Order: sequence, then C-alpha cells, then structure tokens
Amino acid sequence: GDSVTQMEGPVTLSEEAFLTINCTYTATGYPSLFWYVQYPGEGLQLLLKATKADDKGSNKGFEATYRKETTSFHLEKGSVQVSDSAVYFCALINTNAGKSTFGDGTTLTVKP
Amino acid sequence: EPEVTQTPSHQVTQMGQEVILRCVPISNHLYFYWYRQILGQKVEFLVSFYNNEISEKSEIFDDQFSVERPDGSNFTLKIRSTKLEDSAMYFCASSGQGGKNIQYFGAGTRLSVL
Repeated sequence: GDSVTQMEGPVTLSEEAFLTINCTYTATGYPSLFWYVQYPGEGLQLLLKATKADDKGSNKGFEATYRKETTSFHLEKGSVQVSDSAVYFCALINTNAGKSTFGDGTTLTVKP
Repeated sequence: EPEVTQTPSHQVTQMGQEVILRCVPISNHLYFYWYRQILGQKVEFLVSFYNNEISEKSEIFDDQFSVERPDGSNFTLKIRSTKLEDSAMYFCASSGQGGKNIQYFGAGTRLSVL
C-alpha cells in the first residue's frame, strides 16, 4: 500500500537557519502531495501542495518540489523563525476522493 | 474563509460509554473523512463517506464505530463502547471535489477515555 516516510526528528534550529525536512513516498500512479503543519494544541493546517511531477508548492516562505524520479517532496525554508516551531506532516492522496496517508511527523523547534 | 468545525473540543468519558463526535464540514463539500491521532503518533485514516455511504474504511474502523450524516450539515462519528485505547485526537475533514484534492481539516476533538 501507499506510505510516506519522513526524516526522524526532532529538529532543533536557531532562528534564521535553513530548514530541510525530508519526505519520501511509496505509491503507485501519480499521487498528490501535501505538507501540513500542526501548532501546539491545534489541528492540521495545510501548508502547501503539489499535484504533479516538478510542481513546486510554496507558502509562507516554505517550498517543496514534487520529484517523481526520487519519489520525494522535501520541505525547505531559507530562514526559520521561532513562530515556525510546530510539527510538520507530509501526506499523499493517491485515489480520487481517497484517504490521506500521513508520515510520522517531524517536530521542529526554533530557538531565538 | 470557510472552515470545518468540530465539537466538542474535548470529550471525557468513562470506558464502555458511547460518544458522538460532531463535525460540520464546509457547506458545499461532498466528501467527508474521519482520522485519528493517538498522542505523539501519526495521523491515521478511519473512514471516508460520500453520497450517504461509506466509501472506504480502515482496519481500525471496526463494529464499534459508525458514521452518519443526519442532516444536510452535520457529519458524526459514534463510538459505541469506548475503550482506553480509543483515547486520541479525532479529526474530521472534507473535500469539495472528487480528484486527489485538498482535504480541509477541523481543529479536532480530543477524546479522553478514563
């Protein structure tokens, strides 16, 4: 079945550091890929998405590119802020109106 | 901006009791989902629902669980006889289109089974 693998956390960075959170997936066909963010005590917020190979999703300074050849969708941000501290989930949807399959989540802590 | 609304935000119940978690999806959406997240773990799919029928369910969604869309706006998850291991955050989601499109999540209901 489909699966998503995220880099193990937690990740701790200083403010203004560069962020990469790795995500790779296993799926047949052409899934849509998503990054969600979960702030402490809150629900899941969509951060960005990409629906086909070589698409780049971007939002709030975060970016991720759909790489079909490496089955990856790594999340990057050039300069993180303390307010970016949260849990980040990579996810895919592989069938029309089908379920989302999530990675384990990566906890990011940004220190001033 | 339209959003998915879940109530209550926190539900405490005794083991063996029935609970109903409520969700109001985005008004023009047609596809509805329930997920759960046990504390510190990944988000897991429970069930999807379309046209008043279950489209897909996971192995977690056993006979103790049921879903219903009792009217034009609400979408509910019922757990008939709660167990300690049902303690988790339960998320409702909805989607407006049938493709591999964005699912919009509610803020969740934290269920604590004592």
